Amino acid sequence: SQQGEEDPQALSIQEGENATMNCSYKTSINNLQWYRQNSGRGLVHLILIRSNEREKHSGRLRVTLDTSKKSSSLLITASRAADTASYFCATDVLETRGSRLTFGEGTQLTVNP
Amino acid sequence: DAGVIQSPRHEVTEMGQEVTLRCKPISGHNSLFWYRQTMMRGLELLIYFNNNVPIDDSGMPEDRFSAKMPNASFSTLKIQPSEPRDSAVYFCASSLRRGNANYEQYFGPGTRLTVT
Repeated sequence: SQQGEEDPQALSIQEGENATMNCSYKTSINNLQWYRQNSGRGLVHLILIRSNEREKHSGRLRVTLDTSKKSSSLLITASRAADTASYFCATDVLETRGSRLTFGEGTQLTVNP
Repeated sequence: DAGVIQSPRHEVTEMGQEVTLRCKPISGHNSLFWYRQTMMRGLELLIYFNNNVPIDDSGMPEDRFSAKMPNASFSTLKIQPSEPRDSAVYFCASSLRRGNANYEQYFGPGTRLTVT
């Protein structure tokens, strides 16, 4: 199964509301990253949080990391229709060959105008 | 910077044909990644390079797939022979690797491959 698993798989909200997406993982990580993918496009990096950090902000984005629970959340405040996209968490895990970034299956966010 | 460049953007080919996907990473980046994305399997890492050297190819599905990085500014992913189940969007990504961790990756627009 995927190292990172997002929850929920799909989320539909109204413009102006907050959106929260969660990610759980199984093994120790170097860092955890969130990406956005608009339909038909490549992924775009949003934010990175290191294993020794607990919270990080970037504009309307807030990411938390709880290494004891092996989970992270992405909060988008005051959502806009343009935030409609798939959101992926990716965990950087140290392996014998070096570290690799493993993506979850994503949360499809729809923001209705 | 133009970002990660991939070509072609779309490829339609018949089963059994050879397919070559190309990628130009962002100048100065030292890591390059090839991913495949399908509805059924999500985003899968196929192979990645550090400083032009393949580090982990455990995600390459089978011997029909091969990847090269002859220099820091170019990489290819080849499928020979192609099969319908190879139909997917193939992404190339690059990053500036520091130490033993992966940081933000920059994705290309992808190549949508259809094998009939």
